[in-house]
Amino acid sequence: AQSVTQLGSHVSVSEGALVLLRCNYSSSVPPYLFWYVQYPNQGLQLLLKYTTGATLVKGINGFEAEFKKSETSFHLTKPSAHMSDAAEYFCAVTQGAQKLVFGQGTRLTINP
Amino acid sequence: ETGVTQTPRHLVMGMTNKKSLKCEQHLGHNAMYWYKQSAKKPLELMFVYSLEERVENNSVPSRFSPECPNSSHLFLHLHTLQPEDSALYLCASSQLRGGGADTQYFGPGTRLTVL
Repeated sequence: AQSVTQLGSHVSVSEGALVLLRCNYSSSVPPYLFWYVQYPNQGLQLLLKYTTGATLVKGINGFEAEFKKSETSFHLTKPSAHMSDAAEYFCAVTQGAQKLVFGQGTRLTINP
Repeated sequence: ETGVTQTPRHLVMGMTNKKSLKCEQHLGHNAMYWYKQSAKKPLELMFVYSLEERVENNSVPSRFSPECPNSSHLFLHLHTLQPEDSALYLCASSQLRGGGADTQYFGPGTRLTVL
């Protein structure tokens, strides 16, 4: 069965600093990988996803993630954090055609 | 974002009450989902409906009863809940194309408190 581990339940960075949110997965088949963001009192919104092809995936709001098969990782990055990036971020992998398996989530705090 | 709407946004109920959560998707999708989001736990998939047929039920207690009358609407009927059922209930929809790469679109959730 597929699973997802997000390293660090809380990450805090300064405004303008690099954002790095870590995600490792386990999958017995080639995975489809997703990053979702959840702002307070809202549902989840897709940031980006990896299916096939280019391993560096660009998403919305300046985020990108790189699929590294050898490391079973799909870390999310953004070169320069903005105050509006404060939210909870979820990494997910598909298990079967309709089932997403989510990580525990990482709460990102941006310090002025 | 109004693609997936959920009502009510907040609900407080006693353990003996019966209530229903409603979800509506305006995206023309053919699959709908219920998730439970509790504090300090990963999102838990509860139910999946594909083409209005239930295809997944992740061992959810019978006090939760889903209903999908058509491809645009999904309900979660609640009865005799327990305080540990207090959580954010999220609805999602997707267009199934096979293979598992489909994006799920989420509603804003219903915050449920069971007293």
